[in-house]
Amino acid sequence: IAGITQAPTSQILAAGRRMTLRCTQDMRHNAMYWYRQDLGLGLRLIHYSNTAGTTGKGEVPDGYSVSRANTDDFPLTLASAVPSQTSVYFCASSDGDNQPQHFGDGTRLSIL
Amino acid sequence: GQNIDQPTEMTATEGAIVQINCTYQTSGFNGLFWYQQHAGEAPTFLSYNVLDGLEEKGRFSSFLSRSKGYSYLLLKELQMKDSASYLCAVMDSNYQLIWGAGTKLIIKP
Repeated sequence: IAGITQAPTSQILAAGRRMTLRCTQDMRHNAMYWYRQDLGLGLRLIHYSNTAGTTGKGEVPDGYSVSRANTDDFPLTLASAVPSQTSVYFCASSDGDNQPQHFGDGTRLSIL
Repeated sequence: GQNIDQPTEMTATEGAIVQINCTYQTSGFNGLFWYQQHAGEAPTFLSYNVLDGLEEKGRFSSFLSRSKGYSYLLLKELQMKDSASYLCAVMDSNYQLIWGAGTKLIIKP
């Protein structure tokens, strides 16, 4: 079934540790996105990639990095996790401007 | 700054009609999206409006007035499975989505 796969589903992490959230899509979409979702707030864009080999910063990029080596994969890395990064992280992809974004099931991350 | 406003929570009765409003102020406008998100799940796409007017899709309709910075999502013949959060998002001049905090819709029998 075509879609977006995120891993892990959930994770508890000690502060200061490095963590990579994985995201893979098989729809051959050019654009991919990472969001965080916190209670009472809208989805906030962390980083995005319009096409393989390019990335850009969103609204809340500090403390996160991404890479886009190929069309399918868009991992998000927390270099040194802090408690304020406790959140639900969603990866999404779209087939271009003005096209709907399709979301993965999310990663629930708790930083202690 | 950019801002999307929608009510935090609404309650409606099974079989009834409910209208969820969204007002926005963004730098540029390239369309407005509505998504549905069940608790603990991913958002799923419902509708897209870029021109003024009403778009109907089954039990769900979405309306847009660009001059007023206003949209609404209309849900008819409510079913218990419609209990979810409804997210309004505007695509700005950089083709990035600005999201509202969502409206939690509670359906009562």
